[in-house]
Amino acid sequence: EVQLVESGGGLVKPGGSLRLSCAASGFNFRIYSMNWVRQAPGKGLEWVSSISNSGSYIYYGDSMKGRFTVSRDNDENSLYLQMDSLRAEDTAIYYCARQGTTFNTAMVFDNWGQGTLVTVSS
Amino acid sequence: QSVLTQPPSVSAAPGQNVTISCSGSSSNIGNNYVSWYQQLPGTAPHFVIFDNYKRPSGIPDRFSGSKSGTSATLGITGLQTGDEADYYCGAWDSSLSGYVFGTGTKVTVL
Repeated sequence: EVQLVESGGGLVKPGGSLRLSCAASGFNFRIYSMNWVRQAPGKGLEWVSSISNSGSYIYYGDSMKGRFTVSRDNDENSLYLQMDSLRAEDTAIYYCARQGTTFNTAMVFDNWGQGTLVTVSS
Repeated sequence: QSVLTQPPSVSAAPGQNVTISCSGSSSNIGNNYVSWYQQLPGTAPHFVIFDNYKRPSGIPDRFSGSKSGTSATLGITGLQTGDEADYYCGAWDSSLSGYVFGTGTKVTVL
């Protein structure tokens, strides 16, 4: 059974940093691209970042560029999101999601974690 | 800001049918594949349609997807109370080099 378990969320002050982790199990992690998706309270889904299986190809949503850094450790079956210069508008549940396809043009998120809440507030 | 536009809400009685539209552009829906996600209250999303019209295993054939030009549609037939959820379309946007979600549609079973 595919399992994705996020951790690392919490309360952080504006301008602060946080590092999220996603522990993957039940599948061959190293052959899948992985993504982060977030959802602000009461709002819709927003794609955050994508990283290819080898880590060679990385993409970010416009509002995250220059502040967020995605990485992975295939030996540890783990995905990470380093978030710097956090703003109030970054407050959201952050989901780790497996990409079920190789090609971005057919991107689909076929497995999701339960999410971890990040709150940015003074 | 979402670049894919959906109606905020749709509703119907049990057993009836609903459709949810998703409008985009040539840089996303027009030239890439569309997926649809269902988010039940208080839970993480899960996919119900991929590659425009394909259903993953476990998703009943009451759910269908289609695409025409720069728009996509999710159809739900024989609406059930368990279908009450938020639904999102999504697609890769080649101009943005990023994935975009729709604005989301709340389905209410009357």
